Amino acid sequence: AQKVTQAQTEISVVEKEDVTLDCVYETRDTTYYLFWYKQPPSGELVFLIRRNSFDEQNEISGRYSWNFQKSTSSFNFTITASQVVDSAVYFCALSEGGGSEKLVFGKGTKLTVNP
Amino acid sequence: DADVTQTPRNRITKTGKRIMLECSQTKGHDRMYWYRQDPGLGLRLIYYSFDVKDINKGEISDGYSVSRQAQAKFSLSLESAIPNQTALYFCASRDRDTDTQYFGPGTRLTVL
Repeated sequence: AQKVTQAQTEISVVEKEDVTLDCVYETRDTTYYLFWYKQPPSGELVFLIRRNSFDEQNEISGRYSWNFQKSTSSFNFTITASQVVDSAVYFCALSEGGGSEKLVFGKGTKLTVNP
Repeated sequence: DADVTQTPRNRITKTGKRIMLECSQTKGHDRMYWYRQDPGLGLRLIYYSFDVKDINKGEISDGYSVSRQAQAKFSLSLESAIPNQTALYFCASRDRDTDTQYFGPGTRLTVL
């Protein structure tokens, strides 16, 4: 069965620190997709990034970067030079390809960035 | 304008009442979903729909029903609300080309 584990329940950093959020997944499928979503205090869920299982190229987008490693079944997310506005709960999620509809979420990591 | 909207945004109701949560999307996606979020449990899938004639149960469908009135609309009903259905409910639509789900703003439901 699919499973997503975010071992860090809460992280607290001081503004301008770099922070990495960990995500480990389990799936038997060879085709799957990984996602990160952000949930700010206002409550909405904001899509951040999608990565498919055939694309291990890491990505940088502004202050955000993602490290996907199939060998360790990990899809980690790093915020560089964190800001107070980055404070949110971040969810990692897994979706199998091939027509399966399930999007399985981790339990989330609450990030607090203090001024 | 938001691509996925939900109404109401907040609702307080009493045990035993019937309640409907509504969702609309303007993305033209054929696939739509209902999730609930509980503290410490992440998001769990209640129901999903491939199109207006294809509705499927998720992992926690007991106590819920859905209706897909049109491609753009997907409603969730609680026939007889109970307190443990107090949660934050999200609707989402899925882009088939990218397999990405886009979420509405959520409905915070409290059952007293």
